[in-house]
Amino acid sequence: DVKVTQSSRYLVKRTGEKVFLECVQDMDHENMFWYRQDPGLGLRLIYFSYDVKMKEKGDIPEGYSVSREKKERFSLILESASTNQTSMYLCASSPLAGVTEAFFGQGTRLTVV
Amino acid sequence: LAKTTQPISMDSYEGQEVNITCSHNNIATNDYITWYQQFPSQGPRFIIQGYKTKVTNEVASLFIPADRKSSTLSLPRVSLSDTAVYYCLVVPRSGTASKLTFGTGTRLQVTL
Repeated sequence: DVKVTQSSRYLVKRTGEKVFLECVQDMDHENMFWYRQDPGLGLRLIYFSYDVKMKEKGDIPEGYSVSREKKERFSLILESASTNQTSMYLCASSPLAGVTEAFFGQGTRLTVV
Repeated sequence: LAKTTQPISMDSYEGQEVNITCSHNNIATNDYITWYQQFPSQGPRFIIQGYKTKVTNEVASLFIPADRKSSTLSLPRVSLSDTAVYYCLVVPRSGTASKLTFGTGTRLQVTL
């Protein structure tokens, strides 16, 4: 079974903190993605990566950065968390070829207070 | 990437067939149409994908007309457990890495 594992299911952080959200996949997939999901706005892509150390901005990259030092791990970083970054964060992975399914983690519900 | 448009929400009674249509007027020759399903508190999961005509699996059928400017996801005899958000995506066939753009999806509510 393909597994995409996000390090935390729930997280509460303070405004201004540096926050790391970790995602690990066990299927040797090239592509990895970070999304945030908010009511009424669907899934919005923050960043994606198609190879180690490679990254591409998604639709809403502002306030976020990412790191991919190893193929199986893709980290989302909130340099200085703000309350408007309170959201559900979802990580996904897929093989490089476009016409294949993406597999999602269970999500991390982040609350910034 | 081709933009997709689908209804925000749909309601159905248990046992009915549900058809969700997605519009993708700017689909490119090498694009596939892919549908995902998301239950509350879970990540989306792939349900079906097609290029043209009809594709069927154990979960759903996907109908794609010849001009490929739209597609219809068909769920036969829905049950309460089919209540979910359904996303239509257009994905390049292969080659370059591509971002997967989900949008807001269609929220299907199934009731007794």
